[in-house]
Amino acid sequence: AQSVSQHNHHVILSEAASLELGCNYSYGGTVNLFWYVQYPGQHLQLLLKYFSGDPLVKGIKGFEAEFIKSKFSFNLRKPSVQWSDTAEYFCAVNTPDGQNFVFGPGTRLSVLP
Amino acid sequence: DTEVTQTPKHLVMGMTNKKSLKCEQHMGHRAMYWYKQKAKKPPELMFVYSYEKLSINESVPSRFSPECPNSSLLNLHLHALQPEDSALYLCASSQGQKNIQYFGAGTRLSVL
Repeated sequence: AQSVSQHNHHVILSEAASLELGCNYSYGGTVNLFWYVQYPGQHLQLLLKYFSGDPLVKGIKGFEAEFIKSKFSFNLRKPSVQWSDTAEYFCAVNTPDGQNFVFGPGTRLSVLP
Repeated sequence: DTEVTQTPKHLVMGMTNKKSLKCEQHMGHRAMYWYKQKAKKPPELMFVYSYEKLSINESVPSRFSPECPNSSLLNLHLHALQPEDSALYLCASSQGQKNIQYFGAGTRLSVL
C-alpha cells in the first residue's frame, strides 16, 4: 500500500531560521506531489505542487520544494521562517489515475518570535 | 474563486440523531471528496465522487451515507453515530481525480 512519511513530528525554530521538512513516499510509479498547510483553526491550503518538469517547484509565501525521484522524496524548504508560518504541514501524494490520495502524518512547525 | 463551502461549521448530535453535512463548490469541479480529520492527525479519505458517481468508499461504516445530488453539491448523512466519530469532517473538490484538491473549512462534529 502507498504510504507517505514525514521525518519530523514537531519542529521548533526561531524567526529567520531556515526550514526544511522531509517527506518520503513509498509508491514506485509516477505520482503527483503536494504540500498543504493548515494554520491554527483554518482549512487546508495548497502551498505547492509537483506534477512533472522542473523538480524544484516554488509555491506561495516563499516556500519551495524539491522532488528527488531516486530518493522518493519531496522536501519542503524556506530560507527564513516567520512567526506567521506556525502551522501544521502535510505532504500528500496522488497517483495519476487518481485512485490514491494519501496524506503524510503531518509536521507541526512552531516559530518563536 | 477557489472556495469550497461547508455547513454547518459546528454540529453537536446525540447517538440516536440523524443529521447531514453539506458541501458546495461552484468551480465546475467534477470530483468531490469527504475526509475525516482527528486532532493532530492527517485527513483520512472517506469517499470520492467522480462525475456524481461514487468512485471510492474507503470501507466507511454504513452510519455514514454520502450523496451527490448534482455536480456542485455533496452531502454526508449521519445516523446512529458513535462518540469516536467526533472529528473535523472536510470536504474537498478537484477538477478531476488527478488534480489539485481544494478544501473547505470543515464541520467540527461532536457526538455525545
